[in-house]
Order: sequence, then structure tokens, then C-alpha cells
Amino acid sequence: DAGVIQSPRHEVTEMGQEVTLRCKPISGHNSLFWYRQTMMRGLELLIYFNNNVPIDDSGMPEDRFSAKMPNASFSTLKIQPSEPRDSAVYFCASSLRPPYEQYFGPGTRLTVT
Amino acid sequence: AQSVTQLGSHVSVSEGALVLLRCNYSSSVPPYLFWYVQYPNQGLQLLLKYTTGATLVKGINGFEAEFKKSETSFHLTKPSAHMSDAAEYFCAVSEGRGAGNQFYFGTGTSLTVIP
Repeated sequence: DAGVIQSPRHEVTEMGQEVTLRCKPISGHNSLFWYRQTMMRGLELLIYFNNNVPIDDSGMPEDRFSAKMPNASFSTLKIQPSEPRDSAVYFCASSLRPPYEQYFGPGTRLTVT
Repeated sequence: AQSVTQLGSHVSVSEGALVLLRCNYSSSVPPYLFWYVQYPNQGLQLLLKYTTGATLVKGINGFEAEFKKSETSFHLTKPSAHMSDAAEYFCAVSEGRGAGNQFYFGTGTSLTVIP
């Protein structure tokens, strides 16, 4: 299995631009998670989906952030407009079903200047 | 609600010495427990997990952890540290099957191995 796939691996953008991060979960997994990791705040859960349905988005920092999962094999996290404080590593993870272990992708390193 | 406490944000050990990383949790239901490792510029990788059954679980790279219900702990150990063990380690707790798929991660412990 290829594992969780994220793209792009690195993204540099200017403040105010729209950013879209992409994730392909492991085939057959029912749950998908988006995390953000920074030195200051550590690992934060932004949102998770179960069977393509958003279950908990309480971690999404503000309305500039949105996430979708149109089908079982694809999810996006969008930031519009981006701000320098959004600079972080964003991870996608997937899981077979609750409460089993999550498998993480390699992350997208976002830099907003 | 669950919470996870990792005592010591930074731990240093000499090469060949015992590694002990501490994790305590709070839970009102039997938990599922996990340890993850994160090497620089990589995602989190599952080291080991406890779900049910034997309380001493073995993972990859010679690590093991013991679930102690009375102490609400799930400490990670390795008898002899290698330089390649230098990384960030995260303890995680998951609620039971009926409570949805919520994972709670600790704040992480950075392990330094001194040659």
C-alpha cells in the first residue's frame, strides 16, 4: 500500500492567496483527519471525517479554513485568504474505523510570507 | 473526556542507556493507547499500540510499553538507546468504539541520544 499521500509537500505563498492542500487516504479507511503542527502549539486536530462526513470541525481555527471530502479517496483543506500565522506543517491521517490507529501522511509544509 | 500527559518535554540519554518516556492518561472508559514516533521532517509513525489483552506490548525498533490500569500509565521503554532513536515521541489515547473516533495526543517528548 502506498500509505497516505499528501500534495504538495511544500507550499510557499503570499499573504492573501488561496492555498489548497490535498490528501489521499489509505484505500479502505473510513476516517480521515487533518492536523496542523507548529513549534508553538504542537499537534492540533483541525477536523475529522467519518465515511466522508465531517464529524468534528471544532479545531478549525476560523472561517478562512474549510475542508471537504467529496469521496472516500480524496480530501482537501483550503485556506482563503492565507495569513503568515497559518505557516505550519499540515498532516493528513486516515484510520480504518474507530478507535483504531491512525496512519499519517508525510505532511505539507506551508509557508505564508 | 480524555487527556494525555507526557512528563518531560525533553529527555536525554546516553547511547546504550535505558530509554523511559512517560505517559499518563485520564479516561472514563477502557482506552486504546498508542505511541508514535516522528523523525525530523517526517510524519508520525506508529510504534506500538495497546487495545486489549496482554498489557505489555512490543513495537518496532525494540520499543515496548506496559499498560497499567491502576496507575493510568502507558510508559514507553527501550533497554538500550541507539543514536537513530533520536526523535519526537507522542503518546495517544483513543476512546472506546462507541464514542466515535477521537484521538487525543500528548504534547510530545523530544528524545536526544548522547554518543
